[in-house]
Parts: sequence; structure tokens; C-alpha cells
Amino acid sequence: AQSVTQLDSQVPVFEEAPVELRCNYSSSVSVYLFWYVQYPNQGLQLLLKYLSGSTLVKGINGFEAEFNKSQTSFHLRKPSVHISDTAEYFCAVSVRAEYGNKLVFGAGTILRVKS
Amino acid sequence: DSGVTQTPKHLITATGQRVTLRCSPRSGDLSVYWYQQSLDQGLQFLIQYYNGEERAKGNILERFSAQQFPDLHSELNLSSLELGDSALYFCASNLAGTNTGELFFGEGSRLTVL
Repeated sequence: AQSVTQLDSQVPVFEEAPVELRCNYSSSVSVYLFWYVQYPNQGLQLLLKYLSGSTLVKGINGFEAEFNKSQTSFHLRKPSVHISDTAEYFCAVSVRAEYGNKLVFGAGTILRVKS
Repeated sequence: DSGVTQTPKHLITATGQRVTLRCSPRSGDLSVYWYQQSLDQGLQFLIQYYNGEERAKGNILERFSAQQFPDLHSELNLSSLELGDSALYFCASNLAGTNTGELFFGEGSRLTVL
């Protein structure tokens, strides 16, 4: 079964520092990959997605992720974080199901940006 | 704004009670998914409906049930509530049968069981 592992449950970082949130997936077939963000007291919103093409994907709020097929990873990065980036981030892989693709989510990584 | 609407946003009730959570999917989306998010369990998939029919079941308790109506809105019914049912319940939708599996989430309904 396909699964997603987010390697860090919490990542503390100072404002304006770079950050990387790690995600590994298990799949033997072509995949679609997603990062969602959940700000405090809000729902999940799409940050970025990889469907095909360039392995470097740019998303909203200055985030980007790189699809690495050989390492089965899809790490999320931002060169300089802001206090407002404090949120929980979920990596997800799309898996083939009986009635269309469905998402399998990782456990989430809480990003805490400190001033 | 994802286009997915959930009501109520907050709900406080007592153990043993029953509540109904409502979800209106994005316009044109045929598939609705329900998720439960709690501190100890994380984000758990509960159930999926497509055009009125149940399509997939996840970690949904027997005390919980859901349905999708002809106008495509969905309701999640939670009965014989326990303290451990306190959580954020999300609804998500997509066109389904597509594509990538990308989901559009509502803001959630926060249930507190006292």
C-alpha cells in the first residue's frame, strides 16, 4: 500500500531562516504529490502539487518542493520564513482507488516560526 | 475560499447525544469526503460519497453514519457521543473519477463533547 512519511513532527525555526520539511512516499507507480497547509483554526488549503513535468514545483507564499523519484521524496522548502508561516503542513500522495484517485496524507509537520 | 461550506463551525454537546454536521461541496463536485482531525489521531479519513452513493470507508465508527443527498450536500451523523469524539471534522470535495485526487477542504466543524 502506498504511504507517506513526514520525517519531522515539529520544526522550530527563526524568522527569516530557511526551512525544509521532509516527506517520503512509497509507491511503485507514477504518483501525484501534494503539500497542504493548515493555519490555526482553519481548514487545509493546497500549497502546491506535482503532477508531471518539471521536478521543481513552486507554490503559494514562496514555498517550493522538489520531486525526487529515485529517493521517493517530495521535500518542501522556503528560503526565508515569516511568522505567518507558522502552521501545520501535510504531505499527500494520490493513489489509485476503485472510484478514482484518492489522497493518502502524512501525519503532518508543525512549523513554528520564532522571532 | 475553497467553495466547500460546512456548518456548524462550532458545536458543544454532552456525552450520549447525537449531532449532525453538514457539508455543501464545491459547485460541480460530485464526490464528498469526511475526515476527522484530533490531537492524538491526526487526520483520519472517515468516508467518501460519490453522486449519492458510498464509495470508500476509512476509520469510521459504527456510531457514525453519513449520506449524500440528490443536491450533493452531505451530512455526517454522530451518535452516542463520547468524550473521545471531540475533534475537528472536515469535509472535502472533488470532481472524482478524475484526475489527480486533489481535494478542496471546508473550514471544518469543531465538535466538543463534555
